[in-house]
Amino acid sequence: EAGVTQSPTHLIKTRGQQATLRCSPISGHTSVYWYQQALGLGLQFLLWYDEGEERNRGNFPPRFSGRQFPNYSSELNVNALELEDSALYLCASSFGQTYNEQFFGPGTRLTVL
Amino acid sequence: QKEVEQDPGPLSVPEGAIVSLNCTYSNSAFQYFMWYRQYSRKGPELLMYTYSSGNKEDGRFTAQVDKSSKYISLFIRDSQPSDSATYLCAMRGSSNTGKLIFGQGTTLQVKP
Repeated sequence: EAGVTQSPTHLIKTRGQQATLRCSPISGHTSVYWYQQALGLGLQFLLWYDEGEERNRGNFPPRFSGRQFPNYSSELNVNALELEDSALYLCASSFGQTYNEQFFGPGTRLTVL
Repeated sequence: QKEVEQDPGPLSVPEGAIVSLNCTYSNSAFQYFMWYRQYSRKGPELLMYTYSSGNKEDGRFTAQVDKSSKYISLFIRDSQPSDSATYLCAMRGSSNTGKLIFGQGTTLQVKP
């Protein structure tokens, strides 16, 4: 069974640009979660989507947004990029809303210059 | 104060040693506790999760939760060089928010 996949692997942007990150959950999983793993800060919860709806968001500014498509894949958009947005962005999925078992993808490394 | 504290290490042990990894937390509402393993340049891999207090064993791994002390542990028996990774604890309360609170991770090196 294929795991969570994310694209691209690496993304380099300059300050002020927009970044789009993509995630495909494990087949059968309907919930998708986004986390930011910045150096020295650990994993920080960004967003939770389930059945196409945003269910919860973490303490991040509105320029972090996303959506979930009918096939349960998801997209994270970061507008007006700032240097401190440089981080590993991790997507996880779970079966329904049983989010004790969140399975992570390999991440997208975003570098903002 | 962070909600979840975890010693970043690094922790270096010889092959075959028993490893103890720990997290403390401040929020008494946390009820579900997870351990993840993260290899360099990879995403976290779920090892196991436990509910409330008690022990749970899976192969060489044992997770232990002491809610009275707000302290969780992961023990690795007969450690192998392939166990060298960063170990992250995570936890959540009973309400359905989708959010896991992670510790900073402990880097473990098992030397052959």
